[in-house]
Order: sequence, then C-alpha cells, then structure tokens
Amino acid sequence: DIRMTQSPSSLSASVGDRVTITCRASQGISNSVAWYQQRPGRAPKLLLSAASRLESGVPSRFSGSGSGADYTLTISSLQPEDFATYYCQQFYTFPPTFGGGTEVEIK
Amino acid sequence: QVQLQESGPGLVKPSQPLSLTCTVSGASISSGGHYWTWIRQFPGKGLEWLGYVYYNGNTRYKPSPQSPISMSVDTSNNQFSLQLHDVTAADTAVYYCARGMVWSQTFDYWGQGIRVTVSS
Repeated sequence: DIRMTQSPSSLSASVGDRVTITCRASQGISNSVAWYQQRPGRAPKLLLSAASRLESGVPSRFSGSGSGADYTLTISSLQPEDFATYYCQQFYTFPPTFGGGTEVEIK
Repeated sequence: QVQLQESGPGLVKPSQPLSLTCTVSGASISSGGHYWTWIRQFPGKGLEWLGYVYYNGNTRYKPSPQSPISMSVDTSNNQFSLQLHDVTAADTAVYYCARGMVWSQTFDYWGQGIRVTVSS
C-alpha cells in the first residue's frame, strides 16, 4: 500500500493567515491525490481532487498543487469555519489510502 | 441532494459478526457510475478504506483486513451493506458509507457515520 505522510500533524493559526499543509506519498502518484476537510463530529468533506481541482461549492481560498510524490493544500486566508482536520488521500493505486491528518487549531 | 445514512448496532461482542447497512437517497445505486464504499475511522482519527460494492454486485475489498469482510447491494431498496465477521476490539471505529467515483477512488458524498464499539 502507498503510505501518505502529512505534515505538520497539527498547527495553530489565526484568522486571515495563509496555511500550507503537505502530503508526501511513499512513491510518485501522478497527481492522483484528493484533499478532505473534517469538522468535529462530522464526516469528511471532499475539497479537491486530482491534486488541484476544486469541488463544486468549495471556496476559492482553497488550492492544491504538487507533483510526483509531494503535494500541498493551501488556504490563502484562514476563516473561522476552516478550523478543522484535513486529510490527503491517494487514488493512484489500489487500495486508496489516507494521510494521518493535519489539525488546524485557532491560535 | 444525495444523502447516505448508516444503520446498525453500536455495540458488538468480540468474535461476533457486525452488519451495517447504508440507505441511499437522492441517487439510484442501480444507475451505475459509482462505487458504494465503506470507510472507517479509528479512535486515533486514522481513516481506512474497507472496500466497495458496485450496482451489479461486484466487490473489491481491502487486502488482508483485520476481520474478514463482505459487502452486498440491494438495488430494490437502494441500500448496500457491510459485514465484518469475527470482530475484535481493533474493529472499534466510526464506520462511514460513501459514494466513490468510478473514474477515481475519491468520495463525494458520505453518511454521517455510525460509531461501533467491540466489547464484551
């Protein structure tokens, strides 16, 4: 299975900050990465697929980039509703696997 | 609006089977185009894909699961199900059903999750 390693595991930030979360795969995954947001007590929500494709209804302050084995999720200006845990997921090979999550907390 | 809803027991004894059902509304399982998927989240927050069932009954499961897995689909009731056989405490988790894209294994709709505890 492909291992997905996220960093940092948690971070503290203020409203308006730019936040970047990194995901490194154990091998190249050819942009086959998705990002999810999970608020406490809720199911994960798909934000981006194919590394940089924003899902319908997701604010444009979210963006994704990367290539090979390294990918990033960026929130350009953190909003109060963005405090949550974020997960990356690869769908390059079977089985799909998830990163361990990055918790974004209020500073 | 597509909605998924899990149902089943919240507490299961070790070595017993676990059966969960997901009821889908706002979309038809029999229309094809999606993999109907089970994912679980452990208490430490890690997410694990368990497998999927297609509308025609085809399945694909996580290799070497901790407990044997089977999945089935009931298109007449727009439901799909997960069975874990011979559960252990390591199967304690929140179980989500989700809709997966056929062209990619990404998940655009999820149920609210059902918390399952394995304990005697």
